Amino acid sequence: KAGVTQTPRYLIKTRGQQVTLSCSPISGHRSVSWYQQTPGQGLQFLFEYFSETQRNKGNFPGRFSGRQFSNSRSEMNVSTLELGDSALYLCASSPAGTSGRTTDTQYFGPGTRLTVL
Amino acid sequence: TQLLEQSPQFLSIQEGENLTVYCNSSSVFSSLQWYRQEPGEGPVLLVTVVTGGEVKKLKRLTFQFGDARKDSSLHITAAQPGDTGLYLCAGRRIKAAGNKLTFGGGTRVLVKP
Repeated sequence: KAGVTQTPRYLIKTRGQQVTLSCSPISGHRSVSWYQQTPGQGLQFLFEYFSETQRNKGNFPGRFSGRQFSNSRSEMNVSTLELGDSALYLCASSPAGTSGRTTDTQYFGPGTRLTVL
Repeated sequence: TQLLEQSPQFLSIQEGENLTVYCNSSSVFSSLQWYRQEPGEGPVLLVTVVTGGEVKKLKRLTFQFGDARKDSSLHITAAQPGDTGLYLCAGRRIKAAGNKLTFGGGTRVLVKP
C-alpha cells in the first residue's frame, strides 16, 4: 500500500502571498490531520477532516484553512503569508471511523517544507 | 509551556550505551504514542500505550506508560547509530474528539559509533 503523499515537498513564497498544500492519504483512510512543525513550537495540530467535514481544529488564525474531497484527499491553504509561517507542514491519515477511538494509528507523510521570504 | 514536556531535549551517547527519554504532563491521556523522525521525513510511529502501568518492548526499545497515564518513558538498551533521530511523544487527551494529538517538544538523540 502506498503511504501518505504530500505535494509539493518544497515551496518558497513571499510575504502576503497565499499557498495551497496537498495531501493524499493511504487508500481507505478517511481521516486526514494537518500539523505544523517549527523548531521553536514543535509539532502543533492545525485541523482534522473526516468525510469532507472538519471535526477538530487547533489554535491557529483563520488564515489557515483546509478542505477534504470525496476521495479523502485534502488540501490546506494559508493566505496572506507571514514570515512565521515558515515551517514543515505534515499531513497524517488514519482509518478512524469513530470519533474518540484511542488506538487509531496516524501515518505521517514526508511533509511540505514552506519557506516564506 | 508545552502540555507534554520531554526531557532531555538533546542526548549524545556512544554506541552500546543505554538511554532513557521522559515524557511528562499534568494532564491525563487516554493513550500515548512514541514516534521517531529523521531529517526530511515525517514521524514514524514506534508504539502506542493505552493502559496505565503498561510496558511494551520493541527489540531494544522499552516503553512504559505511567500508572496515572500522565507520563511515559522510552528506554533504549545498547544504542546503535541507527537509533539516531528525533523522538517525539504524543498523547490523545481524555474526551478529545477525533484524532487530535498533542506532541511533546521532542528529544534529539545522537548515537556515535
